[in-house]
Amino acid sequence: GDSVTQMEGPVTLSEEAFLTINCTYTATGYPSLFWYVQYPGEGLQLLLKATKADDKGSNKGFEATYRKETTSFHLEKGSVQVSDSAVYFCALSGSQAGTALIFGKGTTLSVSS
Amino acid sequence: GAGVSQSPSNKVTEKGKDVELRCDPISGHTALYWYRQRLGQGLEFLIYFQGNSAPDKSGLPSDRFSAERTGESVSTLTIQRTQQEDSAVYLCASSPNPSGTKDTQYFGPGTRLTVL
Repeated sequence: GDSVTQMEGPVTLSEEAFLTINCTYTATGYPSLFWYVQYPGEGLQLLLKATKADDKGSNKGFEATYRKETTSFHLEKGSVQVSDSAVYFCALSGSQAGTALIFGKGTTLSVSS
Repeated sequence: GAGVSQSPSNKVTEKGKDVELRCDPISGHTALYWYRQRLGQGLEFLIYFQGNSAPDKSGLPSDRFSAERTGESVSTLTIQRTQQEDSAVYLCASSPNPSGTKDTQYFGPGTRLTVL
């Protein structure tokens, strides 16, 4: 079945460091890919998404490119801030309308000043 | 506008008791999903409602779990005879009209269930 694998955390960085969180997937068909973020004490929020191969999703300085050839959707940010500290989830939705999202286990990011 | 709301935010119960969790989706959203997030784990799909269609219950872990939705509004998730392994955060999400895979799901803050 479809699945998502993302790098295990925690990831600990200093402010202004470069961030990469790896995400790979297994899916039949052509899924849409998402990154969700969960800030401390808050609900899950959509960070960015891409719906077809080679699409790049971007938001708040974060980027991820849908790579069909490597079945990957790695999250990157050039310069992290303390306020980026959160748990990041990679997810995919199936090819059928209304399919539930399939999530990775989440990666905790901690940024220190 | 108002987002997805869930109540209660926290629920502590004793093993064997029944619990009801509530979700109010974003107004106008036809699709509603329930997920479970165990500690240190990703989200697990439980059940999906789309309009008046029969719900997709394929993710429910046992027959102790059930959910209802009234039209395109409120949904309740019921767990009967709770067990300690039911302890988790239960998340609800809604989506405008999932005509394709491009639709974003909007999540509520969750209900943290603790079974003693």
